[in-house]
Amino acid sequence: LAKTTQPISMDSYEGQEVNITCSHNNIATNDYITWYQQFPSQGPRFIIQGYKTKVTNEVASLFIPADRKSSTLSLPRVSLSDTAVYYCLVPSGAGSYQLTFGKGTKLSVIP
Amino acid sequence: DADVTQTPRNRITKTGKRIMLECSQTKGHDRMYWYRQDPGLGLRLIYYSFDVKDINKGEISDGYSVSRQAQAKFSLSLESAIPNQTALYFCATSDPRTGGADTQYFGPGTRLTVL
Repeated sequence: LAKTTQPISMDSYEGQEVNITCSHNNIATNDYITWYQQFPSQGPRFIIQGYKTKVTNEVASLFIPADRKSSTLSLPRVSLSDTAVYYCLVPSGAGSYQLTFGKGTKLSVIP
Repeated sequence: DADVTQTPRNRITKTGKRIMLECSQTKGHDRMYWYRQDPGLGLRLIYYSFDVKDINKGEISDGYSVSRQAQAKFSLSLESAIPNQTALYFCATSDPRTGGADTQYFGPGTRLTVL
């Protein structure tokens, strides 16, 4: 089972780029890496998913090195509304549906 | 996600009471999930269902039961509630993907307090 490790918390000023790195040393060959965002008292929301190299969408970018043992979520020019918990997930069971949410990274954006 | 609704949104009950949390979805997804979240912790999977006839236990199913009444409805029951089941409960749905992990869509959550 691929376990993920990410920082418990991060602080950033508005307008800065934020990079959150997640390690997943035991990732399986077929596993994708998925990131979710959760605001207080709301359900998590899908942000981005990738398998290798780089993926970009309207919200974020995801960088995955060749060995796939880590990944970095990049949020460009954060605003106060990006204050949330960010989860890095790698499937934990025999299938892509078993997602294990750890404690995530609590990002606080400071004015 | 407004396509996934949960009722009630808040509930206070007493130890020993039976309680049901309901989840409905209009996304047309076959897969549905129930999670609980405790303060400062991530989500833990309670039960999941891949279709109406398929129910599976998750990481922490003891003390809970579920019913998949239809493709769109998935209910979670606490037969005899206890205080350590006080938590935030989330329902989620997904569709299987060819390539990649399922994207799960979460409801707004039900805050349950067991006194």
